[in-house]
Amino acid sequence: EVQLVESGGGLVQPGRSLRLSCTASGFTFGDYAMSWVRQAPGKGLEWVGFIRSKAYGGTTEYAASVKGRFTISRDDSKSIAYLQMNSLKTEDTAVYYCTRLRPYYMDVWGKGTTVTVSS
Amino acid sequence: EIVMTQSPATLSVSPGERATLSCRASQSVSSNLAWYQQKPGQAPRLLIYGASTRATGIPARFSGSGSGTEFTLTISSLQSEDFAVYYCQQYNNWPPVTFGQGTKVEIK
Repeated sequence: EVQLVESGGGLVQPGRSLRLSCTASGFTFGDYAMSWVRQAPGKGLEWVGFIRSKAYGGTTEYAASVKGRFTISRDDSKSIAYLQMNSLKTEDTAVYYCTRLRPYYMDVWGKGTTVTVSS
Repeated sequence: EIVMTQSPATLSVSPGERATLSCRASQSVSSNLAWYQQKPGQAPRLLIYGASTRATGIPARFSGSGSGTEFTLTISSLQSEDFAVYYCQQYNNWPPVTFGQGTKVEIK
C-alpha cells in the first residue's frame, strides 16, 4: 500500500525551529518529487514547497511566504522527506501535509501533522 | 502568480441531485488542473487530474471538464459520502502551485 506518514509536529514558540519528517512506503521513493502543503485552522490549502527527484537534480522550490525560512530535503536511502522550519511565526500554525507529486498534481497525501506556533 | 477562483463558496444539494462546481484561472493553465476532495478531519484526496481524468478508484459519478481558464467538476448524483469541500489546483505555471479557496458541498 502506498503511504505517507508525517511526524514531528507540535507546539513551538515564535522564532524557534521545528523539523517535520515524511516517511514513505509502498513505492520507489527516489523516483518521485515530494511536496509539502499546509492548511491553517479553518482555511484552505496552501502549497509550501517541493523537492524534485535526484534524476531532476533534487532541486527545490518554495512559496514566497516561507522562502528563506523553510528548507525541504530528502534521504532516498530512508524514503524520508524533511521540512526544516526556522524562524517560525504564528501564521505558520497549520496542519502540514506531505504529498507525492506526479508532477505536479498531488496523487498521494499523508494524514498530516499539526504545528502550533504560540508563546 | 495564477489565481484560482472557485464558485460558489457553498453549494447546497439534496442527495441524488447533480452538483456542478466551477473553477476559474486568472490566465490559461491549459488542461493542467486537478480537483481534490477533503472531508472534515481528513487529508485531501485526488479526484481528477489533467482537467478530466479520474484518479484511481474514483467513482464514475465524478467528472471534470474544461480547459484554458474555465473548469467544471460535476458530481452526477450526490451520495452521502460526497458532502465535503472541493479544491481545484493548477500546475501549469509554477512555482507557485496554486489552489482555489474551495467549494463546500453541503446537504440541502
